[in-house]
Amino acid sequence: KAGVTQTPRYLIKTRGQQVTLSCSPISGHRSVSWYQQTPGQGLQFLFEYFSETQRNKGNFPGRFSGRQFSNSRSEMNVSTLELGDSALYLCASSYEGRGEMYFGAGTRLSVL
Amino acid sequence: GENVEQHPSTLSVQEGDSAVIKCTYSDSASNYFPWYKQELGKRPQLIIDIRSNVGEKKDQRIAVTLNKTAKHFSLHITETQPEDSAVYFCAASKGSGGGADGLTFGKGTHLIIQP
Repeated sequence: KAGVTQTPRYLIKTRGQQVTLSCSPISGHRSVSWYQQTPGQGLQFLFEYFSETQRNKGNFPGRFSGRQFSNSRSEMNVSTLELGDSALYLCASSYEGRGEMYFGAGTRLSVL
Repeated sequence: GENVEQHPSTLSVQEGDSAVIKCTYSDSASNYFPWYKQELGKRPQLIIDIRSNVGEKKDQRIAVTLNKTAKHFSLHITETQPEDSAVYFCAASKGSGGGADGLTFGKGTHLIIQP
């Protein structure tokens, strides 16, 4: 069974640009969550999608948004990039948001 | 919102000895407590989890204990081996699972196994 797949693995952008990250969950998993990991703040919850609906949201500005498609694949978008957005963005899937959650390898975003 | 404190930030133990990492949480409604291991450059991997209706859970050399009254839970690793070297994260959520209600993570413990 394939694991959680994130693309791309690395991204370099400049301030003011926008970026879209993609996540394909484990087959059969309908819940996809997104996390930001930085050395200073650790792992922080961005949002969770289930059946194409955002169910929960962390404390991030509106520049961070996401969506989920009917096949459970999810995308995360960050607009008007800031230097502080440089981080490892991890997505994780679980069957219905209850129980074990599995992470992808992440997308490392560098904002110059 | 939930706040999870994790200690110590760095733990160095001799190979073969035991390691204990402790976490406290603030929201008494939290009922799911997973532990993740993250090796350098790799994704966090779930190693063990516990729900609030259980006080202890064990899986080979790894065990987790939960004290709901005191709102703290701990990871115990016995007979440590070099491959146990990694950063360990504790987390808490209210949704009986990791996804829907979001996990609140501790800051992590860098476990170093000395040969």
